[in-house]
Amino acid sequence: GDSVTQMEGPVTLSEEAFLTINCTYTATGYPSLFWYVQYPGEGLQLLLKATKADDKGSNKGFEATYRKETTSFHLEKGSVQVSDSAVYFCALNAGGTSYGKLTFGQGTILTVHP
Amino acid sequence: DTGVSQNPRHKITKRGQNVTFRCDPISEHNRLYWYRQTLGQGPEFLTYFQNEAQLEKSRLLSDRFSAERPKGSFSTLEIQRTEQGDSAMYLCASSFSPNLQGVGYGYTFGSGTRLTVV
Repeated sequence: GDSVTQMEGPVTLSEEAFLTINCTYTATGYPSLFWYVQYPGEGLQLLLKATKADDKGSNKGFEATYRKETTSFHLEKGSVQVSDSAVYFCALNAGGTSYGKLTFGQGTILTVHP
Repeated sequence: DTGVSQNPRHKITKRGQNVTFRCDPISEHNRLYWYRQTLGQGPEFLTYFQNEAQLEKSRLLSDRFSAERPKGSFSTLEIQRTEQGDSAMYLCASSFSPNLQGVGYGYTFGSGTRLTVV
């Protein structure tokens, strides 16, 4: 079945450091890929998405590129801030008869220190 | 637009009791989803409605679980004879789609209902 695997966490960085959170997926067909963020005490928020191979999603300084050849969608940010501390989830929608169902990875906790 | 609203925010119940959660989606959204999230894990899909029709149910949704969406507006998720393993955050999401394809537009999650079974 469809699945998403994220790098083990937690990740702890100093402010202005470079961030990479790895995400790989398994799916039949041509899935759409997403990154969601969950700040403490809040609901899941869509951070960025990509719907086809080689697409780059970007938002708030975060970027991720849909790599079909490596089945990956790694999240990157050039300079993290304390306010980026949150849990990050990679997700996919397999399309076709999966309707709007999202399959999530286990999440990666990011803590950014001043 | 007040977003997706879920009630209650927290529910503590004794094992064996029945519980019901409510989700009010964004008003113009025709799709509604339920997910379950346990500590340290990502959300897992439970079920999905397109308008009032329940179109898909996960194997996670045992016969103790039932979801309804009368009139295609709000939805309820009921768990009968709760077990300690049901303790989790129950998330609702909604979106709009003119057809059955893709995730639709404006896919938005609520803040969830945290269930604790003691």
